[in-house]
Amino acid sequence: DIQMTQSPSSLSASVGDRVTITCRASQTISSYLNWYQHKPGRAPKLLIYAASSLQSGVPSRFSGSGSGTDFTLTISSLQPEDFATYYCQQSYSTAPLTFGGGTKVEIE
Amino acid sequence: EVQLVESGGGLVQPGGSLRLSCAASGFTFSSYAMSWVRQAPGKGLEWVSSITGSAGTTYYADSVKGRFTISRDNSKNTLYLQMKSLRVEDTAVYYCAKDKVVGATRGWFDPWGQGTLVTVSS
Repeated sequence: DIQMTQSPSSLSASVGDRVTITCRASQTISSYLNWYQHKPGRAPKLLIYAASSLQSGVPSRFSGSGSGTDFTLTISSLQPEDFATYYCQQSYSTAPLTFGGGTKVEIE
Repeated sequence: EVQLVESGGGLVQPGGSLRLSCAASGFTFSSYAMSWVRQAPGKGLEWVSSITGSAGTTYYADSVKGRFTISRDNSKNTLYLQMKSLRVEDTAVYYCAKDKVVGATRGWFDPWGQGTLVTVSS
């Protein structure tokens, strides 16, 4: 199974900050990496697919980069509605599909 | 608008069974792979199972293989998850999710339903 490791597990930031979350795969996954945002009590939301493609309707302050084993999600200017938990997920191997442990973004 | 609405969650004793449903609308259901993903209390997201649009192929996490069965009724636009031999560790919110890409099992989940809570406890 492909293991996904996110860092940090949590971070505190202020509105307007630039935030970077990293995700590392235990083996190469090309660009088969997706990012989701999850708020308590809400459905998770796809932000980025195929490592760097912005999902329709997602603000352009979100961006993704990387390939192989190392990936990054960047929020260029953190907004109040961005406080949530973010997950990376590999889709290189259909079974099992695996998620990172999550990064909780909190208000500083 | 694409909508996914899960139902069927509840309290069940260890060893019991439950069937979850996910009613889909707003898209050609039979053209898309569908999946179940769960989140245990205080934990992260865990993929459970996926099924192709034609229901010809199914995939399972090792943690549920042999106990859970994913299926779909394309005439009713509904996805199912039959859960048997439930364990305390199966307690979670269960989400259904649609694959983003028509006719493929890419594992790009968009959108997701709101989830249904399954509690396994004596």
